[in-house]
Amino acid sequence: GAVVSQHPSWVICKSGTSVKIECRSLDFQATTMFWYRQFPKQSLMLMATSNEGSKATYEQGVEKDKFLINHASLTLSTLTVTSAHPEDSSFYICSAPGLTGNTIYFGEGSWLTVV
Amino acid sequence: QQQVKQSPQSLIVQKGGISIINCAYENTAFDYFPWYQQFPGKGPALLIAIRPDVSEKKEGRFTISFNKSAKQFSLHIMDSQPGDSATYFCAAGASGGSYIPTFGRGTSLIVHP
Repeated sequence: GAVVSQHPSWVICKSGTSVKIECRSLDFQATTMFWYRQFPKQSLMLMATSNEGSKATYEQGVEKDKFLINHASLTLSTLTVTSAHPEDSSFYICSAPGLTGNTIYFGEGSWLTVV
Repeated sequence: QQQVKQSPQSLIVQKGGISIINCAYENTAFDYFPWYQQFPGKGPALLIAIRPDVSEKKEGRFTISFNKSAKQFSLHIMDSQPGDSATYFCAAGASGGSYIPTFGRGTSLIVHP
């Protein structure tokens, strides 16, 4: 099946710094990728839809300037958490629709801890 | 407004028992209903999915039952095993255009040996 890879799996950064998380579709092209945030024991919260070659679509309440999304190619989307604060600590997961469209493949997730 | 309601929030089952997780949706435009399994510290993985043209789909020990009129669907795990212990999410979405599923809150399943 289709594989979505995320990197890094976990990252610790200092408050005020920025951190980038990469999401790659390994064996298929994805013009659209989705970024989710998940707090412990909670559901997936869609943050934004990443669109190749155009601006990302952000969900209501998600700060565009804080969570920068770039979808530079058909296989790579990046999420940059700018000026990170401890409350940004969370599990971030990306996903991409497979060839059939309705099947969503998730990455392994990235743990971000801001200290 | 929560468009997909999932219950129970947590479930404890003995090995060999049947685990049942229920979901209800509101949007009649939804036509694709997947279930995802998530182990701690990992991303969700597609487990099984159903479309509204059938009332049941079975894959191994996992079965989805779908009731279109009631706008409900459920996941049944037969002969539950300790390795099934995970969080399960139901989802629903409309396949027209860009498919963006709405997820339920999740069910934490623990299967005791």
